[in-house]
Amino acid sequence: GESVGLHLPTLSVQEGDNSIINCAYSNSASDYFIWYKQESGKGPQFIIDIRSNMDKRQGQRVTVLLNKTVKHLSLQIAATQPGDSAVYFCAENSGGSNYKLTFGKGTLLTVNP
Amino acid sequence: NAGVMQNPRHLVRRRGQEARLRCSPMKGHSHVYWYRQLPEEGLKFMVYLQKENIIDESGMPKERFSAEFPKEGPSILRIQQVVRGDSAAYFCASSPRTGTGTDTQYFGPGTRLTVL
Repeated sequence: GESVGLHLPTLSVQEGDNSIINCAYSNSASDYFIWYKQESGKGPQFIIDIRSNMDKRQGQRVTVLLNKTVKHLSLQIAATQPGDSAVYFCAENSGGSNYKLTFGKGTLLTVNP
Repeated sequence: NAGVMQNPRHLVRRRGQEARLRCSPMKGHSHVYWYRQLPEEGLKFMVYLQKENIIDESGMPKERFSAEFPKEGPSILRIQQVVRGDSAAYFCASSPRTGTGTDTQYFGPGTRLTVL
């Protein structure tokens, strides 16, 4: 079935380095993608989103890249800080649904001081 | 501006009891979504509601689970006769409805249900 998956389940970086978290999606009809950050014991926190008519979007210290040709999504975090340690999920609007999100399994980012 | 609120944050039930999970959307949001998260997994869509209407419950088990979003008050996810497999974190999200494609969903802190 259609699914969203992540290449790496864990990522460990040094404080100050840049982090890149990758995500592959398989439903070519999806046209909206979101990255969420989830800290232990908390709900997912919206980070940044992108629609399929764009290939790049920047926020504060974060950049999302979308490659529709290979159905790939990535989240780049600049100057990673200990507070960035969390599980990061990519999500897509399932096959173009305007409300149903399909989540990947998540990548655990650990930032070492 | 208060975010999405959920209560209780933790709920313990014995097998066969009922669990009621409540969600108050963000101010100005009229659309509510419930998701379930098992340990070390992503969130799975359960149901999408608007005030007094269930729009899509395709992700909800057909038996024992129900959801409502009344005209007044919070949205309620109800699980009857709970079993151990119902133990999970249940998250509620809300969004406005702008009618211009998929709206950003903002999540609450979740209710962690433990069935003994």
